[in-house]
Amino acid sequence: KQEVTQIPAALSVPEGENLVLNCSFTDSAIYNLQWFRQDPGKGLTSLLLIQSSQREQTSGRLNASLDKSSGRSTLYIAASQPGDSATYLCAVFAAGNKLTFGGGTRVLVKP
Amino acid sequence: NAGVTQTPKFRVLKTGQSMTLLCAQDMNHEYMYWYRQDPGMGLRLIHYSVGEGTTAKGEVPDGYNVSRLKKQNFLLGLESAAPSQTSVYFCASSYSSGTGELFFGEGSRLTVL
Repeated sequence: KQEVTQIPAALSVPEGENLVLNCSFTDSAIYNLQWFRQDPGKGLTSLLLIQSSQREQTSGRLNASLDKSSGRSTLYIAASQPGDSATYLCAVFAAGNKLTFGGGTRVLVKP
Repeated sequence: NAGVTQTPKFRVLKTGQSMTLLCAQDMNHEYMYWYRQDPGMGLRLIHYSVGEGTTAKGEVPDGYNVSRLKKQNFLLGLESAAPSQTSVYFCASSYSSGTGELFFGEGSRLTVL
């Protein structure tokens, strides 16, 4: 059974510092990995989608890497801003239409 | 673009009552999903659909039923609500299952007394 873990569960950084969020998964037979952002009381917003054949994806200040062999993905957010405060979740998609979510990392960027 | 729309956004039920949550997407997506999100439990898949007229069970299907009579709509039903079904429910859709980006609705907060 696929298990997805995100450590730490919470993170607090001063504005301007780079954010590094980790996601690990136990079964490397995945189709893709997706990073989401969730604001309090809101739905999930897709940030980046990395296909299993890709090593990384970039969008603006966001960069996500994928290492299937080690079962890890990292989301980097450069020059963090207070508006980046949210919960970030990763999810892996595998055979059988199974999307497994991590527990999320709650991020606070202090002005 | 409306994307994925869920109704209602909030609902309070008494134990034993029934209700239906509606999810509508305007992106012509084939795949649709219903999740519930609970503190400490993360997001768990209830049911999903790979196309009009199809449904399948997810991780926690008991106590729920679904229907996909039209491609753009995915309904989640609670026949006899229980307090354990108090949760935030999210609908999501994607163009394809293996490679498609997942789009979520804003959520429906359900409280069962």
